[in-house]
Amino acid sequence: DQQVKQNSPSLSVQEGRISILNCDYTNSMFDYFLWYKKYPAEGPTFLISISSIKDKNEDGRFTVFLNKSAKHLSLHIVPSQPGDSAVYFCAASDRDDKIIFGKGTRLHILP
Amino acid sequence: GAGVSQSPSNKVTEKGKDVELRCDPISGHTALYWYRQSLGQGLEFLIYFQGNSAPDKSGLPSDRFSAERTGESVSTLTIQRTQQEDSAVYLCASSLTGGLGADTQYFGPGTRLTVL
Repeated sequence: DQQVKQNSPSLSVQEGRISILNCDYTNSMFDYFLWYKKYPAEGPTFLISISSIKDKNEDGRFTVFLNKSAKHLSLHIVPSQPGDSAVYFCAASDRDDKIIFGKGTRLHILP
Repeated sequence: GAGVSQSPSNKVTEKGKDVELRCDPISGHTALYWYRQSLGQGLEFLIYFQGNSAPDKSGLPSDRFSAERTGESVSTLTIQRTQQEDSAVYLCASSLTGGLGADTQYFGPGTRLTVL
């Protein structure tokens, strides 16, 4: 049973437009959420995170939104750039600090 | 500065053999994590070391998997009697203080394990 779900395996977005990556979770005990970006043949890199006590966190072009009642979070990238083409992993951790990852969404930024 | 390093970068082995994967975390990082990414799957948590505390082994998929860490430095992940389903990229990460929700993890490049 997947506790963290990224239902879109891939997403294509025009350069300059907004990219929206979605993530759903089932465990109400999760108290921290993270997004990682992964290029081929490299390890994931941390992108942005949000605590369950917040509903929005912004860092430059990246904004993460958390809707606790819907158990849903999303990552917005605006404006999208070619270098944003990568696989994006949503992850969640609980008070035991175990981290659960989604399967990832491959983002293609189109020229 | 030096990041997390892993060796070997690639390992091909025959089914039934044992393999050892090595991770060198960033100096001074007290927390170390092992993950794996199988083809078509997301990242899967395996094990977590924090300082001198007993490791959290809850993610290890079977008793063929074990890991050790020497103090707050190098870690080895050992897979005994490898099976084809063990084929994956094994990733190591370290963070300064642990507490996954509060501390950024820095990942190594991974070891790609192929079991024939």
